[in-house]
Amino acid sequence: QAVVTQEPSLTVSPGGTVTLTCGSSTGAVTSGHYPYWFQQKPGQAPRTLIYDTSDKHSWTPARFSGSLLGGKAALTLSGAQPEDEAEYYCLLFYSGLRGVFGGGTKLTVL
Amino acid sequence: EVQLVQSGAEVKKPGESLKISCKGSGYSFTNYWIGWVRQMPGKGLEWMGLIYPGDSDTRYSPSFQGQVTISADKSISTAYLQWSSLRASDTAIYYCARGGGHWGQGTLVTVSS
Repeated sequence: QAVVTQEPSLTVSPGGTVTLTCGSSTGAVTSGHYPYWFQQKPGQAPRTLIYDTSDKHSWTPARFSGSLLGGKAALTLSGAQPEDEAEYYCLLFYSGLRGVFGGGTKLTVL
Repeated sequence: EVQLVQSGAEVKKPGESLKISCKGSGYSFTNYWIGWVRQMPGKGLEWMGLIYPGDSDTRYSPSFQGQVTISADKSISTAYLQWSSLRASDTAIYYCARGGGHWGQGTLVTVSS
């Protein structure tokens, strides 16, 4: 089974910009992996921020964007807010729509 | 409004069976896959598998193949996750999620003697 890798932790200053990445052990991440990005705060269910690489939900703050960058899926946060402190997970789909989550990135806004 | 509403928390003993549910509303249930996700205490998210309710085509993660059964009843817009014999290591929160990223609220399953 493929392994999906994320940065274990990142820190961003309030108002700053940070990019979280999501790589695959099988090679470059493409739109065919239908990358998803989720935000999870303690004690809460995950919330989808991005699906299918870059599509947003109505509840996704405009400061979040998704893309492909350097062979990885990327989630960019521009203008970080204190409420963005959370765990972020990516999800990739492989052949046969078998999904694999990354290990998560703990984002600190400090 | 799209909603996925999961069944309530369960407390079971090892060896018991269990079936939890996820009811979709606000959209055409057969048009989107429903996936199941495990989150063990203090751990990350794990993809278990998904089902296409229209034809019940099911795709399991290798880690969960043979350990659980995913099913759906499109007549009542409900997907299910079931175990035939629970173990203490099945203690976790289980989430359902729809293609496009709507999530249920989670079901806490506690398995303890």
